[in-house]
Amino acid sequence: DQQVKQNSPSLSVQEGRISILNCDYTNSMFDYFLWYKKYPAEGPTFLISISSIKDKNEDGRFTVFLNKSAKHLSLHIVPSQPGDSAVYFCAASADDMRFGAGTRLTVKP
Amino acid sequence: DTGVSQNPRHKITKRGQNVTFRCDPISEHNRLYWYRQTLGQGPEFLTYFQNEAQLEKSRLLSDRFSAERPKGSFSTLEIQRTEQGDSAMYLCASSSVIGGNSPLHFGNGTRLTVT
Repeated sequence: DQQVKQNSPSLSVQEGRISILNCDYTNSMFDYFLWYKKYPAEGPTFLISISSIKDKNEDGRFTVFLNKSAKHLSLHIVPSQPGDSAVYFCAASADDMRFGAGTRLTVKP
Repeated sequence: DTGVSQNPRHKITKRGQNVTFRCDPISEHNRLYWYRQTLGQGPEFLTYFQNEAQLEKSRLLSDRFSAERPKGSFSTLEIQRTEQGDSAMYLCASSSVIGGNSPLHFGNGTRLTVT
């Protein structure tokens, strides 16, 4: 049962532009949402999170938006840098945590 | 380094053999999770512990899989009679639920190859 879905397996953007990664979820019990970044041969690294009581959380170049009515989550990276190239996973938690399949972001110099 | 530690990093085994992986969480974290990740997929939840109690097990966790966290600190994941379909990255993560929601902190995983 895919409770968290990332429908875009890959995204390519130019350095300096905005990267927008999207995520949809189905379980209305989820109350905590996160984005993780993963490099090859490493475990996922926590990037940013948002509680269901908020609709936006910002941390430097990274902003997460939550639309509860649409059950949709997005991550904006502005400006994008080549070092941001990685696989990004969204995750959602009620008690345990569920992950999407990931989006591979490539930022071209 | 006080992050989540997993051993071994890589394990190659023959089909039918048993394997055991170890995870040492961040010391003050009371929750410990096991996930499995295959190519092109996100981490799939297997099970989690709060202290020494195993609170939830995924239906992915067949009876060949068993996880323990005997003293509420490190955890082991054992796979008996391994099958080629068990080949994957096994990820461990820990978190603290004291004070509300908190992110999971992952180790670098154990990559299992069953030949």
